[in-house]
Amino acid sequence: DGGITQSPKYLFRKEGQNVTLSCEQNLNHDAMYWYRQDPGQGLRLIYYSQIVNDFQKGDIAEGYSVSREKKESFPLTVTSAQKNPTAFYLCASSMSPLGLAGGRSYEQYFGPGTRLTVT
Amino acid sequence: SQKIEQNSEALNIQEGKTATLTCNYTNYSPAYLQWYRQDPGRGPVFLLLIRENEKEKRKERLKVTFDTTLKQSLFHITASQPADSATYLCALAARGGSQGNLIFGKGTKLSVKP
Repeated sequence: DGGITQSPKYLFRKEGQNVTLSCEQNLNHDAMYWYRQDPGQGLRLIYYSQIVNDFQKGDIAEGYSVSREKKESFPLTVTSAQKNPTAFYLCASSMSPLGLAGGRSYEQYFGPGTRLTVT
Repeated sequence: SQKIEQNSEALNIQEGKTATLTCNYTNYSPAYLQWYRQDPGRGPVFLLLIRENEKEKRKERLKVTFDTTLKQSLFHITASQPADSATYLCALAARGGSQGNLIFGKGTKLSVKP
């Protein structure tokens, strides 16, 4: 089955601890994204990567870090510096985002999400 | 400031009726706009994409319109069913923004009553 997986589905941590959320895709997509979703809010972009070994900050990158050592994997670390880490985290992937300039555009495929609770 | 707004947080309709959801944007120049469905506790699922030079797209019972003059997209579900109950998100890709990145609205929660 092709798809994008996130693990674990639920994660509990104590305040002050770093935690890493897993995201894996076997869709052969170049681009991967991390979003955060809070009740009553739209999806907010944390980090994105358009190619292996490269990634860019999104709108709310503070307190988060990522790596992209393999095309299939884009783990997100929520550090102790993140002031309000409790949220629903969504990973997504898409084909090469040449989109706008090249006249192409691609939908994003989302994982099932990880609900992180920090107490 | 730049905004993307889905006017209704919630929409309740009767089975068989047409549901119409609205997405408005300000201070963006979108190259295209997408609609997603999200069920509780799950990731969004792509439904439809419409480009700036397209007026309307259809897929089975779904129809999307795009009016760049009004800066608005409408999403219609005809002959609605209880299984259509979910939150629907609009997302736009802005010209001049990072390639491939989407800006999401907060969503409209649709409830279809039998």
